[in-house]
Order: sequence, then structure tokens, then C-alpha cells
Amino acid sequence: ILNVEQSPQSLHVQEGDSTNFTCSFPSSNFYALHWYRWETAKSPEALFVMTLNGDEKKKGRISATLNTKEGYSYLYIKGSQPEDSATYLCAHNQAGTALIFGKGTTLSVSS
Amino acid sequence: DSGVTQTPKHLITATGQRVTLRCSPRSGDLSVYWYQQSLDQGLQFLIQYYNGEERAKGNILERFSAQQFPDLHSELNLSSLELGDSALYFCASSAPGRTGYNEQFFGPGTRLTVL
Repeated sequence: ILNVEQSPQSLHVQEGDSTNFTCSFPSSNFYALHWYRWETAKSPEALFVMTLNGDEKKKGRISATLNTKEGYSYLYIKGSQPEDSATYLCAHNQAGTALIFGKGTTLSVSS
Repeated sequence: DSGVTQTPKHLITATGQRVTLRCSPRSGDLSVYWYQQSLDQGLQFLIQYYNGEERAKGNILERFSAQQFPDLHSELNLSSLELGDSALYFCASSAPGRTGYNEQFFGPGTRLTVL
């Protein structure tokens, strides 16, 4: 059974704070790890697709790292802004399988 | 706007009924995926089609079926509806190539309410 766990479930920070959350996934037969951003009343939007151990990707103030050997990925947001408020979804797949999504981390940023 | 369209946006129906949800993928995308988002659940993968052929199956109930047509649009058919089928149904598409490596582009979803 593939299981993707995300923590924390929710997080509330002040504007300007930096924050990070974790995605844990089975390390065997790793293929790819996806991060998506899901704003309320919108559809999930892809942030990163990561495939190599040690991969680090960055998009503006958001970055992600990947450790396939131990089965975890971190998502970092530097200097959080209210518009970063969303649910961040992590999804994992092994070769030949579909994406398995975690339940997400819901971030709330107060100004 | 992801380029993936879904209709209808909202659907309200009664138990025992049958409904069809429609999805048009982004231009050029061959893969279509269907997901169900229920209360307190993560996105649950239902089924994937690639260029008209079923590619992968998730936790899709036998009462549910899907197909992808030659023009690549897809339909998800839900029959003998139960209250528990009330959920947000997303369609996503991805570019040709190595499935799983490519990011998925999600449509706006169809909110199904079964009364």
C-alpha cells in the first residue's frame, strides 16, 4: 500500500515568517514526487516535479528538496505572504502507477 | 486557467440516479486522469486514460465507469448514486511522454451533490 503522509496538517504563520512542511513517502521503487498548490475555490496547480535524490527546485520564494533514500521531501516558503495561503499537496508515484496524494498541509498567512 | 475544462461545474441529483461528468484536456495532452475529493479525504485517484485506452485504475467503484473519446475528451459516468458519492470530481491532463514525470494540469472540478 502506497502511503503519502504530510505534516503538519495545518499551519498558521505571520506575514514575513519563513516556514516549511514535510512529505513522507515510500522510498522503494521511487519514480517521481510532485508538489501542488491548491487555493480555495480553485484547482490544484503544479509547483514542482522532482525525480532525482538530492534534487532541489525553486520557484520564487518557494523551494523544495528531495531525499528518495529515506523517503521525504521538504517544501520551504521564505518570507510568507498572505497570497501564499493555500493547501500544499504532495503526491508520489512508483513507476507505472498513478499519483498518490497526501491530504495536504493547509497554510494560513496573516498580515 | 489550466486549459482543462470540466462540465458541469455543479450537479445536484438524487440517490439512485446516473450522471455523466465531462472533461476536455489541454490541447496536445493525451493523458486524462479522474480524481475524487471527498470531505476529509485527500485526492483519490480513480482512473487514467491515455490516447483512448485505459492506462491505470485506482479505487474506482464498479458503479463508476469512464471512457476517452477519439477527440481525447473524457467522460466519467456515475450510476446508482449514493449519498456518499457527493464529492468534488477533478479531471487532470498531462503531456505525452513518461507518465508520472509530467506535471498534471487540473480542471476546475465538478461539485456533485447527491440528495
